[in-house]
Amino acid sequence: EAGVVQSPRYKIIEKKQPVAFWCNPISGHNTLYWYRQNLGQGPELLIRYENEEAVDDSQLPKDRFSAERLKGVDSTLKIQPAELGDSAVYLCASSLRGNNSPLHFGNGTRLTVT
Amino acid sequence: DQQVKQNSPSLSVQEGRISILNCDYTNSMFDYFLWYKKYPAEGPTFLISISSIKDKNEDGRFTVFLNKSAKHLSLHIVPSQPGDSAVYFCAASGNAGNQFYFGTGTSLTVIP
Repeated sequence: EAGVVQSPRYKIIEKKQPVAFWCNPISGHNTLYWYRQNLGQGPELLIRYENEEAVDDSQLPKDRFSAERLKGVDSTLKIQPAELGDSAVYLCASSLRGNNSPLHFGNGTRLTVT
Repeated sequence: DQQVKQNSPSLSVQEGRISILNCDYTNSMFDYFLWYKKYPAEGPTFLISISSIKDKNEDGRFTVFLNKSAKHLSLHIVPSQPGDSAVYFCAASGNAGNQFYFGTGTSLTVIP
């Protein structure tokens, strides 16, 4: 079974520039998550999709962050404009819908904003 | 407010001995608990889980114990191996909401 695929693995940009991350979840997984992980911290949810619908985006900073999952499969997360504090690892995860289904994570995108 | 807490940032254990990683949670509505293992430059990998109807789940060298009254879970690794050296995160979810909360992680070092 292919895992969650994310790209790019690393991204370095200057502040105020835009950046986008891409995620392809495990085939058949309806639920897709974007998490942000800062150094020394656990992953923190940014947005959760059930198919193409964003069902929880309460933690997404909507002034600069946006996400989409147009066909209910791949997803992109965008930051525009990036700020220094956005430097982190951005993790995508997917799971089957329903109770007691674990998250499966991709390897993440490490973003450095200079 | 941190709903899932891992109070030990690091742990060192001799190879062959038992590793015990601890996790506490505050939300009594949590009913599904998981442990993840993370190597540097990789995403967290699912290790083992337990639902609130059980108090123990075992998978090979890994056992998770759940104490609902104390809102505490632990991961036991026995015997510990050098390849187990990684950061371990506990996570919890509840209300069938598919929303997961993570602790801050414990870095385990297994000394050969």
